[in-house]
Amino acid sequence: DAGITQSPRYKITETGRQVTLMCHQTWSHSYMFWYRQDLGHGLRLIYYSAAADITDKGEVPDGYVVSRSKTENFPLTLESATRSQTSVYFCASSDRSLGGYEQFFGPGTRLTVL
Amino acid sequence: GQNIDQPTEMTATEGAIVQINCTYQTSGFNGLFWYQQHAGEAPTFLSYNVLDGLEEKGRFSSFLSRSKGYSYLLLKELQMKDSASYLCAVSKNDYKLSFGAGTTVTVRA
Repeated sequence: DAGITQSPRYKITETGRQVTLMCHQTWSHSYMFWYRQDLGHGLRLIYYSAAADITDKGEVPDGYVVSRSKTENFPLTLESATRSQTSVYFCASSDRSLGGYEQFFGPGTRLTVL
Repeated sequence: GQNIDQPTEMTATEGAIVQINCTYQTSGFNGLFWYQQHAGEAPTFLSYNVLDGLEEKGRFSSFLSRSKGYSYLLLKELQMKDSASYLCAVSKNDYKLSFGAGTTVTVRA
């Protein structure tokens, strides 16, 4: 399918477990982002990537790891999940266009850590 | 860093007009985005302002004043489907966006 997809859409895990959220885009966009969205905080940037093999921390990176070996994939791993990481996670991609760096968002993954 | 402020909630009647304000403080400003997000869904792009003035797109318009650090999103002829959260986001001199907490608009019949 064309566009940006995330999997799984819903995930329940337990404290201390490792979990990986997947993100895949078909536009060959250079830039990819991971956000978390919590009530009262809006979208907060976790990690971002300017290209394959180039990643950097965002506003709230602690407890998360990313990689980007291929342009189209940008997985996010919670190495040891905590309850505070219960959230909705959005992946986004963008590239330079007439509209600036408009970001396109995936459908989100709702993660619950018990 | 930057502070981006917008009202938490607004309510309006179907067919009316609503204006959502956004103020920001940032260095290296490079543009302002508005996104719409329906409950349980992903944000979708509405508008982008990089120069001062008004940008009109059908029923939606967005205004920017860079000297005042101020933007607004104007929704005209409100419809029930416009009930959603509206996110203000600021772009600095790079490709990242910083988002406000969002304004939830409820349209009543």
